[in-house]
Amino acid sequence: DADVTQTPRNRITKTGKRIMLECSQTKGHDRMYWYRQDPGLGLRLIYYSFDVKDINKGEISDGYSVSRQAQAKFSLSLESAIPNQTALYFCATSFGNTIYFGEGSWLTVV
Amino acid sequence: GENVEQHPSTLSVQEGDSAVIKCTYSDSASNYFPWYKQELGKRPQLIIDIRSNVGEKKDQRIAVTLNKTAKHFSLHITETQPEDSAVYFCAASLYSSASKIIFGSGTRLSIRP
Repeated sequence: DADVTQTPRNRITKTGKRIMLECSQTKGHDRMYWYRQDPGLGLRLIYYSFDVKDINKGEISDGYSVSRQAQAKFSLSLESAIPNQTALYFCATSFGNTIYFGEGSWLTVV
Repeated sequence: GENVEQHPSTLSVQEGDSAVIKCTYSDSASNYFPWYKQELGKRPQLIIDIRSNVGEKKDQRIAVTLNKTAKHFSLHITETQPEDSAVYFCAASLYSSASKIIFGSGTRLSIRP
């Protein structure tokens, strides 16, 4: 099920570099999200968007920015990556209250 | 804001035995409680949910219970099988707002053969 597709799936970057994670979906859902998963901390919401003109901060938005380029595309940027942003990042959509996650992007900042 | 605590963080049970994962939430306005399962290397997927107007919901070998007064909800898995090995996340939110879903920290369930 590749309805929510993330690129890249794995990335190693250096401290201070800018990195973008891209997400596209074919589900036709208006609502899109970016989550971060860290061991022992669960899934934490970074940003969410209800439509192309609507962007909202989540629990942990500091150090991140997003762009909703189209209904089907939602990208996450780390302007200046730092090591504690090493994590598994999930893009997601929702319909009703059900969240549909992408396959995840492993990001390592060294 | 809402805070969801989940216990235990790891759980190991013998195949065929039952497993119980417990969560508590802080915001009495929360009325929707989903559970997501994440198999190793895969994405989290919704397995069952419950709304606050019911106390229990079952789907084959899994069930969720909700105690609104105590702000507790639990996931019960009976007759555990190897494919039940995964990380399980509880969550709480207002039913009208998926953007406000707050997840617990996860429970890694291992099924011993």
